Amino acid sequence: EIVLTQSPATLSLSPGERATLSCRASQSVSRYLAWYQQKPGQAPRLLIHDASNRATGIPARFSGSGSGTDFTLTISSLEPEDFAVYYCQQRENTFGGGTKVEIK
Amino acid sequence: QITLKESGPTLVKPTQTLTLTCTFSGFSLTTSGVGVGWIRQPPGKALEWVALIYWNDDKRYSPSLKSRLTITKDTSKNQVVLTLTNMDPVDTATYYCAHRPSYRADYESWGQGALVIVSS
Repeated sequence: EIVLTQSPATLSLSPGERATLSCRASQSVSRYLAWYQQKPGQAPRLLIHDASNRATGIPARFSGSGSGTDFTLTISSLEPEDFAVYYCQQRENTFGGGTKVEIK
Repeated sequence: QITLKESGPTLVKPTQTLTLTCTFSGFSLTTSGVGVGWIRQPPGKALEWVALIYWNDDKRYSPSLKSRLTITKDTSKNQVVLTLTNMDPVDTATYYCAHRPSYRADYESWGQGALVIVSS
C-alpha cells in the first residue's frame, strides 16, 4: 500500500504570506495526486487534481506541482479563508495525514 | 449540479453491522469511468479511504477493512450502499461518499457526511 507523508504537520503563517505544503509518496504515483481543503465541520473540497490542475472554481493563488514521489501545494498569498487543513490523495486512494495551516 | 447524501444510523452497537446509503444526483454510475467512493474521518483525525465502486462494478476496498466491507450499487435508484460488519468503537467516524469523475483519480464532489457512533 502506498503511504503519503505530508509535511509540515502544522504551518503557522500570516495572511498575505506564501504557503508551501509537501506530500511525499512511498513509491511513484506518476501525476495521480490530488489536494483537498477541509474546514471544521465541512466536507473536504477538491483543489487540485492530476498534480497541477485546478478544480472548477478554485482561485489561481492555489497551484500544485510535482510528479513521481514528491508533490507541492502552494498558496501564493494566504487569504483569511485559506486557513484550514489540507490533504493529499493518490490514485490508489490513500490520503496523507494532513497539514494544518493556522494563523500566526 | 452533482449532489450526494449519506444516510444511515447515527448509533450502532459493538459487533453490529453498519449499512450506509449514498444517494446521488447529477451523474450516472453507468457512465464509463465513473466511480463512487466512501471515505471516513474519526473525530479530530485524518481522512481514511474505505471503498470505491466503479461503473462496471469493479470494487476496491481498504486493505485494513477488506474482510468486513461490502460495497454495492443500484443504478436504477442512483444509490451506493456500504456495509461494514462487526463494528467497533474505533469505527466511530464521519462517513462521506464522494463522486469520482470519469477516468480520474480524485473525488470531485462530496456528500455532507454522516456521523456514526459505535457505543453500547
